[in-house]
Amino acid sequence: DIVMTQSPDSLAASLGERATINCKSSQSVLYDSNNKNYLAWYQQKPRQPPKLLIYWASARESGVPDRFSGSGSGTDFTLTISSLQAEDVAVYYCQQYYDTSHTFGQGTKLEIK
Amino acid sequence: EVQLVESGGDLVQPGGSLRLSCATSGFSFSSFWMNWVRQAPGKGLEWVANIKEDGSETYDVDSVRGRFTISRDNAKNSLYLQMNSLKAEDTAVYYCARGARQGTQYQYFDFWGQGTLVTVSS
Repeated sequence: DIVMTQSPDSLAASLGERATINCKSSQSVLYDSNNKNYLAWYQQKPRQPPKLLIYWASARESGVPDRFSGSGSGTDFTLTISSLQAEDVAVYYCQQYYDTSHTFGQGTKLEIK
Repeated sequence: EVQLVESGGDLVQPGGSLRLSCATSGFSFSSFWMNWVRQAPGKGLEWVANIKEDGSETYDVDSVRGRFTISRDNAKNSLYLQMNSLKAEDTAVYYCARGARQGTQYQYFDFWGQGTLVTVSS
């Protein structure tokens, strides 16, 4: 199974500041035949189900604010929040769909400083 | 509006059984792969199983293989998870989640239910 490792485990940033979360996969999730990275990002607020933010590593889901962006390829990926808002306090997860284990990272807890 | 509503979670003894249901509406259920994802209390997310649009293929995580069975009834727009030989480590909120990609078992999840809590304890 592909192991997904996020860093940091927790992060505190000020309102309006940029926040960056990293995700590393134990093997590449880039599918050569279509040049797509099989990587998604989710946001989970307290007592709510996860919400899809990003898929194909950088495609923003409909309705997601454009301050959220995804980047990276192969084994190293980043979720960036360009200007942190109070409502962005949540736990963020990456997930690979390159193989059937569909593994998630352990999560990164984002708080306001 | 896409809606996924899970039910069936309960307190059950180790070794017991439980059947979870997920009632869906607002989309063409028979056109999508469907998934179960779980989250132990205070922990991260773990994909459990998924099922093809017509129910002809299923996949699951190693830790539940032989104990859990995913199924669906397209006439009722419903997804199920039969859970047998339950263990303490199966304690979690179980989410029903729609697969975003059609025609493949390799899924990310674009809609989620609110979840149902399964507690395995004596």
